[in-house]
Amino acid sequence: GENVEQHPSTLSVQEGDSAVIKCTYSDSASNYFPWYKQELGKRPQLIIDIRSNVGEKKDQRIAVTLNKTAKHFSLHITETQPEDSAVYFCAATKSGYSTLTFGKGTMLLVSP
Amino acid sequence: EPEVTQTPSHQVTQMGQEVILRCVPISNHLYFYWYRQILGQKVEFLVSFYNNEISEKSEIFDDQFSVERPDGSNFTLKIRSTKLEDSAMYFCASTFTGTSSYNEQFFGPGTRLTVL
Repeated sequence: GENVEQHPSTLSVQEGDSAVIKCTYSDSASNYFPWYKQELGKRPQLIIDIRSNVGEKKDQRIAVTLNKTAKHFSLHITETQPEDSAVYFCAATKSGYSTLTFGKGTMLLVSP
Repeated sequence: EPEVTQTPSHQVTQMGQEVILRCVPISNHLYFYWYRQILGQKVEFLVSFYNNEISEKSEIFDDQFSVERPDGSNFTLKIRSTKLEDSAMYFCASTFTGTSSYNEQFFGPGTRLTVL
């Protein structure tokens, strides 16, 4: 089955800095890669996703890149703010309604 | 905006007891899921459900687990004889298949299950 590795496990940045979280996946058939943000004690919420026919997608301060050949994808957050502090999970799946395989999560701490 | 809801928010039970976790998916969604998250760990897939039957299940989803859609709105997860290691946050999720192959899975707020 699919295996998703995520790094780093924790990331501390100063407000205004950029943050990058990286994930690799094992199943070349995976073609949909969502990123979820989970604040403490709350549900995971989708913040951005990318499909395998696209190399990059951007939404304001958040961007995701995908390298299908290398089987890795990354989340980039620019101009970080304290409210960006949360655990971020990457995930991979073969289709939008198939099971999601999650990475272990990255705890992002943004200091004012 | 429609949301997935779950009850109860927290369930405490004794080892060996049966528990039923309840979910109300978003009304026009057709695929339903249960995931669990042990404290401090990643979210793990348990089971998916479509057209009134299990579509996919993980190794975690053994004979102690079952799912049911007893009516047109609820989706339940039953654990027959709870074990200490079943203590986790259980998330229900749903998605609308529609015409797109890529659809967001919407997560509920979770039920924290504590087995003593």
